Amino acid sequence: SQQGEEDPQALSIQEGENATMNCSYKTSINNLQWYRQNSGRGLVHLILIRSNEREKHSGRLRVTLDTSKKSSSLLITASRAADTASYFCAFPGTSYGKLTFGQGTILTVHP
Amino acid sequence: DTGVSQDPRHKITKRGQNVTFRCDPISEHNRLYWYRQTLGQGPEFLTYFQNEAQLEKSRLLSDRFSAERPKGSFSTLEIQRTEQGDSAMYLCASIATGNYGYTFGSGTRLTVV
Repeated sequence: SQQGEEDPQALSIQEGENATMNCSYKTSINNLQWYRQNSGRGLVHLILIRSNEREKHSGRLRVTLDTSKKSSSLLITASRAADTASYFCAFPGTSYGKLTFGQGTILTVHP
Repeated sequence: DTGVSQDPRHKITKRGQNVTFRCDPISEHNRLYWYRQTLGQGPEFLTYFQNEAQLEKSRLLSDRFSAERPKGSFSTLEIQRTEQGDSAMYLCASIATGNYGYTFGSGTRLTVV
């Protein structure tokens, strides 16, 4: 089955700095999604990038996708303490749209 | 109805007891998924409903687990004879066909003691 791997596993930065998280996967995908999870809560959909797109922006988020390297990155610019959360990449499998999630990156933004 | 609701938020149960969780998806979403998440890991797929039909079950879903979605509305996930290894966060998500971003509930955290 498809699996995703994310790195780093944890990232600690100061407010105002940029945060970059990376995701790699093993098989062909038609889209890749990023989710945020605050401690002990459900996941919130952040952004989706399709396989024919290379870069996408949403507010302070920038996502890139390199299908030749089977990798994606999520950049959060000008981070805020409220961005502290776990971030997961996810991609649909071959059936019924179920998502396979990476292990996540724990981001801590210090005020 | 602005989101996915899960009940209860927390459940502590003794090993061997049965537990049932409920998920109320967004009303116009016909697709509903259950995931399980353990500490430090990403969510893992358990089962999928399209309307009232359960169309896929993960191998993670042993015979002790059963899920239903009567009338294609709310869904329940029951775990019989709970084991300590069942301790996890159980997440429900819904989506409308043709859309891509799931809406997740806040989850039910199960602790088996």
